Amino acid sequence: DAGITQSPRYKITETGRQVTLMCHQTWSHSYMFWYRQDLGHGLRLIYYSAAADITDKGEVPDGYVVSRSKTENFPLTLESATRSQTSVYFCASSERASDNEQFFGPGTRLTVL
Amino acid sequence: LAKTTQPISMDSYEGQEVNITCSHNNIATNDYITWYQQFPSQGPRFIIQGYKTKVTNEVASLFIPADRKSSTLSLPRVSLSDTAVYYCLVGDIASSASKIIFGSGTRLSIRP
Repeated sequence: DAGITQSPRYKITETGRQVTLMCHQTWSHSYMFWYRQDLGHGLRLIYYSAAADITDKGEVPDGYVVSRSKTENFPLTLESATRSQTSVYFCASSERASDNEQFFGPGTRLTVL
Repeated sequence: LAKTTQPISMDSYEGQEVNITCSHNNIATNDYITWYQQFPSQGPRFIIQGYKTKVTNEVASLFIPADRKSSTLSLPRVSLSDTAVYYCLVGDIASSASKIIFGSGTRLSIRP
């Protein structure tokens, strides 16, 4: 099915472990984004990518690593998870630079114990 | 940074028109104004976007005054299903993707 998907939808891990959240979109959109949303708060941009092999930091990049070897995939890695990274993570994509419409995935709820 | 300010919450009744105003005093020349809707346990969903004056689509209208320092999202004849959090964003992905900020949004509650 066309769209943007995230996996896993739920993840529980322990402090210090490495975790990778996957994001896949079928539209061939140029831009992709990773946000985190803490309980009761708005979304904060972690990283974004304008195209394959082009990534840049957002508002809260510390503790996260991204890559984009293919246009359709944009994985987010927590190299050494901390409790403060417990959050809901949303991936989004956007087709045109001149249009700010972003399409969001269903989110991944991550709990770090 | 084009920071936005919105009311934390609003209440209304079914069938009423709801207007949510967003303040963005530091909006830049290239910035668009975009509104999203978010239901619990879901990702945000695009509602409407504009640059100046008025924009209307099948679900909402967006009013932007000449100075562009604020904008108003208008939802006509709301229903219970419009209960959600609404976010106002200003920015331009092409020139400043890293500076697009969602903020805390406005929690809209619709009552029967």
